[in-house]
Amino acid sequence: DGGITQSPKYLFRKEGQNVTLSCEQNLNHDAMYWYRQDPGQGLRLIYYSQIVNDFQKGDIAEGYSVSREKKESFPLTVTSAQKNPTAFYLCASSQGAAGANVLTFGAGSRLTVL
Amino acid sequence: GQQLNQSPQSMFIQEGEDVSMNCTSSSIFNTWLWYKQDPGEGPVLLIALYKAGELTSNGRLTAQFGITRKDSFLNISASIPSDVGIYFCAGRSGTASKLTFGTGTRLQVTL
Repeated sequence: DGGITQSPKYLFRKEGQNVTLSCEQNLNHDAMYWYRQDPGQGLRLIYYSQIVNDFQKGDIAEGYSVSREKKESFPLTVTSAQKNPTAFYLCASSQGAAGANVLTFGAGSRLTVL
Repeated sequence: GQQLNQSPQSMFIQEGEDVSMNCTSSSIFNTWLWYKQDPGEGPVLLIALYKAGELTSNGRLTAQFGITRKDSFLNISASIPSDVGIYFCAGRSGTASKLTFGTGTRLQVTL
């Protein structure tokens, strides 16, 4: 079955450490996205990529970095510069910008900074 | 970045009751979507709306694209325990390549 796989599901990190969250999709979708979810808040866009080797900052990109070396992979690195990294992170994909209406989401990764 | 305003923020209802929630924006959208998120999972698309005034159903769920194009509504009839979760609206304007999400409505259903 096609879908989006995020790993790890749960991650604990000490302050000052960088961590990388994995996102892999086998839907052959062109565009991929990273969202952050905090309790009581909506989904806020961190980064998105519409094509391999290209990506754009979303609304809250500071303290995060991404890469898009392969169509099916869009890893997110939460750097030590991110002041409040504890959150639920969601990866999504869509069939290109024109199809950005319908996002398919992964199951999410919960990051806790100790 | 802009966020859509959803109301109510949370709801506690009894099984069998009907539910209504809405989403408003200061901008015009040409697409409205409704997603549901189960606890600890990613959101799943429920209904997509593409035309002002459009009314679309998916089982016990019905959603409407407001005439002003600045709002949308979701109704759930005869709620059941598995309706529990967070419901998000999302909108897209013009040729924007990304969606704007609402703040979510948390639904709790009691027996």
